[in-house]
Amino acid sequence: EVQLVESGGGLVQPGGSLRLSCAASGFTVSDSYVTWVRQAPGKGLQWVSVIYRDGNTYYTDSVKGRFTISRDDSRNTVYLQMNSLRPEDTAMYYCALQRGGSYSDYWGQGTLVTVSS
Amino acid sequence: EIVMTQSPATLSVSPGERATLSCRASLSVSSNLAWYQQKPGQAPRLLIYGASTRATGIPPRFSGSGSGTEFTLTVSSLQSEDFAVYFCQQYNDGWTFGQGTKVEIK
Repeated sequence: EVQLVESGGGLVQPGGSLRLSCAASGFTVSDSYVTWVRQAPGKGLQWVSVIYRDGNTYYTDSVKGRFTISRDDSRNTVYLQMNSLRPEDTAMYYCALQRGGSYSDYWGQGTLVTVSS
Repeated sequence: EIVMTQSPATLSVSPGERATLSCRASLSVSSNLAWYQQKPGQAPRLLIYGASTRATGIPPRFSGSGSGTEFTLTVSSLQSEDFAVYFCQQYNDGWTFGQGTKVEIK
């Protein structure tokens, strides 16, 4: 059974950093496409980043240079390192299994990131 | 960036009635479109991909249609568990979501 479990969210001050984790089971992250999608409180969904099976990574413009997606194949886990956080980064962050770089058919339950002083 | 626009923002429907939700893309996305359902406090759930293919376990009352720039999600007979927010997503060029349509009980 495919499962994704996010962790690492919390309250951080503007300019601070957090590292989110997405622990996967039921599939191998090194053979898959794993994406991060966020949702600000009461708002819609925004794609954030994706890591392809070949290791290529992509980011939405607003996080380029600040966020880094990576994976640890030995832990079957994908990470999102978030630096220089801004209040507008406040959101629930979901990781999801993305089919061939397209749609996402399995999602975690999310981890909440709050950027505030 | 391809902009996805959903309408209406809110749809009030009685149980058992049909609901029709629209999604428009600012550029053609071919059939590279998915629909998701989200309930309060839950992660999104994939309903439709490829504009018209139901995901595993999705009941046949959900159907998707369209291609290019105009897409429709139809729920033929709304059940109590279908009242939720629905998002479309294009994956033809990057990945962008619509702002959502809330389907509420009339």
